[in-house]
Amino acid sequence: GAGVSQSPRYKVAKRGQDVALRCDPISGHVSLFWYQQALGQGPEFLTYFQNEAQLDKSGLPSDRFFAERPEGSVSTLKIQRTQQEDSAVYLCASSYTGGSGGQYFGPGTRLTVT
Amino acid sequence: QKEVEQNSGPLSVPEGAIASLNCTYSDRGSQSFFWYRQYSGKSPELIMSIYSNGDKEDGRFTAQLNKASQYVSLLIRDSQPSDSATYLCAVNDEVRTGGFKTIFGAGTRLFVKA
Repeated sequence: GAGVSQSPRYKVAKRGQDVALRCDPISGHVSLFWYQQALGQGPEFLTYFQNEAQLDKSGLPSDRFFAERPEGSVSTLKIQRTQQEDSAVYLCASSYTGGSGGQYFGPGTRLTVT
Repeated sequence: QKEVEQNSGPLSVPEGAIASLNCTYSDRGSQSFFWYRQYSGKSPELIMSIYSNGDKEDGRFTAQLNKASQYVSLLIRDSQPSDSATYLCAVNDEVRTGGFKTIFGAGTRLFVKA
């Protein structure tokens, strides 16, 4: 079956613009995670959904970051008023279990803020 | 702040040798442990999960967990040049809301010399 997909794969935004990043998890996967990965670093946890419920958003770096998964499948990560420090790869991952199992990652969205 | 520590490397081994990758974690209550492989420019790929003390083998990979020492390791037998990648250690922690938060180490770069 299809894996996790993300769009767009690349996004260039001018500082101050809003962006929306989309994640399509593997069908039937309950859990969905968003991460931010800087070059040479491991993924940094942003937020976690179990179905449509956002159970942890402690990793979101500021109130400019917002994530939703309204129907328990597709998720969107929105960043308002982008800043240069937001430049990174944004990874989405899904898991069949309630979050305690291993995760399957999408290809990521590389965001560059100029 | 919960942490997952890995030696950044690079770890260089000859083809056919055993590569040993190590990871320590700070939260004694952690229950789920994972190893992911990440090729340059790609997203992480789940290769091993381990939940209880001892060894778990899957093909050329063996994960080892010692909860008393808060230590996880990955052994790769008969290393191949195609194993050259960054290996990420990850720990899932359950949070009070019922969700999960995944903490990744920064990764160890492995080079397998032909």
